[in-house]
Amino acid sequence: AQSVAQPEDQVNVAEGNPLTVKCTYSVSGNPYLFWYVQYPNRGLQFLLKYITGDNLVKGSYGFEAEFNKSQTSFHLKKPSALVSDSALYFCAVRDITYGGATNKLIFGTGTLLAVQP
Amino acid sequence: GAVVSQHPSWVICKSGTSVKIECRSLDFQATTMFWYRQFPKQSLMLMATSNEGSKATYEQGVEKDKFLINHASLTLSTLTVTSAHPEDSSFYICSASFQRGSSYEQYFGPGTRLTVT
Repeated sequence: AQSVAQPEDQVNVAEGNPLTVKCTYSVSGNPYLFWYVQYPNRGLQFLLKYITGDNLVKGSYGFEAEFNKSQTSFHLKKPSALVSDSALYFCAVRDITYGGATNKLIFGTGTLLAVQP
Repeated sequence: GAVVSQHPSWVICKSGTSVKIECRSLDFQATTMFWYRQFPKQSLMLMATSNEGSKATYEQGVEKDKFLINHASLTLSTLTVTSAHPEDSSFYICSASFQRGSSYEQYFGPGTRLTVT
């Protein structure tokens, strides 16, 4: 079965410091991986995705993620955190068992990022 | 581009009544729309997948007669919570998906907060 795991419920970081939000995946075949961010009482906003190509993917708001096939990880990173980055972050993988016609996603449990000023 | 709207953004209804939530893709045609439910501080739970012009596919454990989904056009899907009860109170999020090249894009609506009294 395909799945994603976000091992940390919450990550605390001081403003200006680098941040990492962890994600590991389990899929058969090549994974399509995504990161989304959710602000309180809002829907999800797309940050970035990995389909193929360079292992380092750059996304919105200065975020990037590194795809590591050997470690089956897709950690989200940012060199310098902002207080406004505080939000709930979800890692997701495309569920390829559903078939090729749609983009059903399997989400991790989410990681709350708290950036202290 | 790629904006998804939901209406209403919040709704309060009495137990036993039905509530309809609309999900629209404003600037693209969505071949597939997804409906999710999110409990406080939890991940998104996929409820159903709908393709335009066909019946929705419900996830295991989701009552199709209680959560009616209609996908009448490539830009509109509706979720009707029938005979709502307090346990149906939740945050409902839709997403719309389309194919771009060899990959599928998925964009989320801002969510609808349903409170059943």
